[in-house]
Amino acid sequence: SQQGEEDPQALSIQEGENATMNCSYKTSINNLQWYRQNSGRGLVHLILIRSNEREKHSGRLRVTLDTSKKSSSLLITASRAADTASYFCATDEGFNTDKLIFGTGTRLQVFP
Amino acid sequence: DTEVTQTPKHLVMGMTNKKSLKCEQHMGHRAMYWYKQKAKKPPELMFVYSYEKLSINESVPSRFSPECPNSSLLNLHLHALQPEDSALYLCASSELGGYNEQFFGPGTRLTVL
Repeated sequence: SQQGEEDPQALSIQEGENATMNCSYKTSINNLQWYRQNSGRGLVHLILIRSNEREKHSGRLRVTLDTSKKSSSLLITASRAADTASYFCATDEGFNTDKLIFGTGTRLQVFP
Repeated sequence: DTEVTQTPKHLVMGMTNKKSLKCEQHMGHRAMYWYKQKAKKPPELMFVYSYEKLSINESVPSRFSPECPNSSLLNLHLHALQPEDSALYLCASSELGGYNEQFFGPGTRLTVL
């Protein structure tokens, strides 16, 4: 299965701290995406990084991609209580471009 | 309009009922998706419609029947469901389909008694 494995499964931090979550996948990809999901709600797209990119920034988000290690990391800087959510990485399967495979997710809790 | 809407928000049904979930987007996206998500798990793809044609069916049981009346609407017809089908059902759309960004609706929380 291509499903990404994320770690940690759960992360608790204080407001103002940085949060880092990691994603590993198994096959070659065209791009890797990160999504956020507030409890029981739909997913929100955060950022997309292409396979030929190594790092991408969007506001307080920083994403890295290492295709040689088949891994990616999402860094949220200066976290806020509103960042409390589950975060999922999602990849395609390279050869099969009709679907995204979501990782297992990291549950982030940011305490005020 | 950059929204994907889903109705109803909550649905409780018995195992003999027939019901439908509805999804709508007005972003001109050509690909639409149904996902099933159990608690504390990632979304699992059920169906993909690309240009109003079913392109992927992830071997979902026939008690789930998708329908794409037009490029803006996607339905999921439910019949003779089992309690284990209780989950959050998410609809998504994508401008270009494939491995591009997907926009998700808020989901329908389904409980099967």
